[in-house]
Amino acid sequence: NAGVTQTPKFQVLKTGQSMTLQCAQDMNHEYMSWYRQDPGMGLRLIHYSVGAGITDQGEVPNGYNVSRSTTEDFPLRLLSAAPSQTSVYFCASRMSDYNEQFFGPGTRLTVL
Amino acid sequence: AQSVSQHNHHVILSEAASLELGCNYSYGGTVNLFWYVQYPGQHLQLLLKYFSGDPLVKGIKGFEAEFIKSKFSFNLRKPSVQWSDTAEYFCAVNAGTDKLIFGTGTRLQVFP
Repeated sequence: NAGVTQTPKFQVLKTGQSMTLQCAQDMNHEYMSWYRQDPGMGLRLIHYSVGAGITDQGEVPNGYNVSRSTTEDFPLRLLSAAPSQTSVYFCASRMSDYNEQFFGPGTRLTVL
Repeated sequence: AQSVSQHNHHVILSEAASLELGCNYSYGGTVNLFWYVQYPGQHLQLLLKYFSGDPLVKGIKGFEAEFIKSKFSFNLRKPSVQWSDTAEYFCAVNAGTDKLIFGTGTRLQVFP
C-alpha cells in the first residue's frame, strides 16, 4: 500500500492564482481530512469528509474548497491564493473515529 | 466547540530526564484521545491512543499517557528521554463529532 499520497510536494503561487492540491489514499478509508500546519498554531482542520459525496467544514475553511467524488481522492482547491495561505498542508485518512489517522507527506505552499 | 490546549510550547531536556507534556481538552462527553509525534522533516505518526478502559495507555518507544476525566487531561509521559525523541508532539481529540482536532503542539529538544 502506498498509504496517503500528496502532490505536489512544493508549490509557489502568486497572489490571486488558483490551484488544486491532490490527495489520494489506497486503504479504503472512509474519513479524509485536510489540515494546515503553521508555526505555533499546530494543525488546523480545513475541511473533512466522512465518505464519498460528503464533505464538511473544519476550523479554517475560508478560501478553500473540497469535493469527494470517490473514496480514494480528496482534492483541496485554493480559489484565489493569498499570502495568508502560505503553509504546509497535510492530507490524512482513517477508517473511522476509533482508528488511527494516517498522514500524507505534506505540500509546502508559498504564496507571493 | 471542542478545543485542545497544550501549555508547554517548547521543552528542553537532557538525555535520561523524565518527560511530561500537558494536554487538556474542552468537552464534557465521551472522547477519543491521541498523541502524535512529528520528527524533523517527517509527517505525523501515532504514538498512542485512548478510547475506553484502562486510563493509563502505553504507546510506542516507551511513551505512556494517562487519561484523567475529572481534569479533562491526557498528559504524555516518558521516564527517560533520548536524543532521538527530539520532535514535535501533538495531542488530538475526537469528541462526539467526525472531526479530529489537534493542539498547537509542543516542541521537545533533547540534548546529549
